[in-house]
Amino acid sequence: SYVLTQPPSVSVAPGQTARITCGGNNIGSTSVHWYQQKPGQAPVLVVYDDSDRPSGIPERFSGSNSGNTATLTISRVEAGDEADYYCQVWDNNRDHGVVFGGGTRLTVL
Amino acid sequence: EVQLLESGGGLVQPGGSLRLSCATSGFTFTSFTMSWVRQSPGKGLEWVSSLSAAGTTTYYADSVKGRFTISRDTSKNTVYLQVNSLRAEDTGVYYCAKRLSRDGYNYYFDYWGQGTLVTVSS
Repeated sequence: SYVLTQPPSVSVAPGQTARITCGGNNIGSTSVHWYQQKPGQAPVLVVYDDSDRPSGIPERFSGSNSGNTATLTISRVEAGDEADYYCQVWDNNRDHGVVFGGGTRLTVL
Repeated sequence: EVQLLESGGGLVQPGGSLRLSCATSGFTFTSFTMSWVRQSPGKGLEWVSSLSAAGTTTYYADSVKGRFTISRDTSKNTVYLQVNSLRAEDTGVYYCAKRLSRDGYNYYFDYWGQGTLVTVSS
């Protein structure tokens, strides 16, 4: 089955740029989606189809995807961005191919 | 405004059963696949089950196949997850999620409920 690999943690100072990676075999050939989950809350979609943002998500959140790595970039990081971030793809080689990465804890120093 | 509201969780002994509910509003219920995703304490997200928009096709993760059943009531715009033969490893928060795709090949979850906690313990 398809595996997505995320770093367990990323730390960044306020105002700096955070980059959270999601690795997978030839992941650039599929679409990647990203969710933000703050403690005690449900996940929220922040980027879909590699780089599009749902309504209400700040422009500071952006995504890219190429080769074997997709990246969620958060510019001008704020304390409120501290959360777990999960990448997700759809594996069309399976009957119902939902695949989540293991998640990355973003810590704002 | 799209809303998903789960209920039905609780404390149950190993081998027990629960029926989880997800009441929805704000969108055409019969036009979208609905899913359940769970999260064990301190762990990541795990897809559990989905029901097609037509209501005719069900999907299950291998870990729950034969024990869980997804269904819906279109008159109530509600999706259910009957969870039987519960095990300690089924403990976690169960989220209801609405599935979406722009191209019909790459799917994601655009709305999530707040979750309902299932605790399996003696």
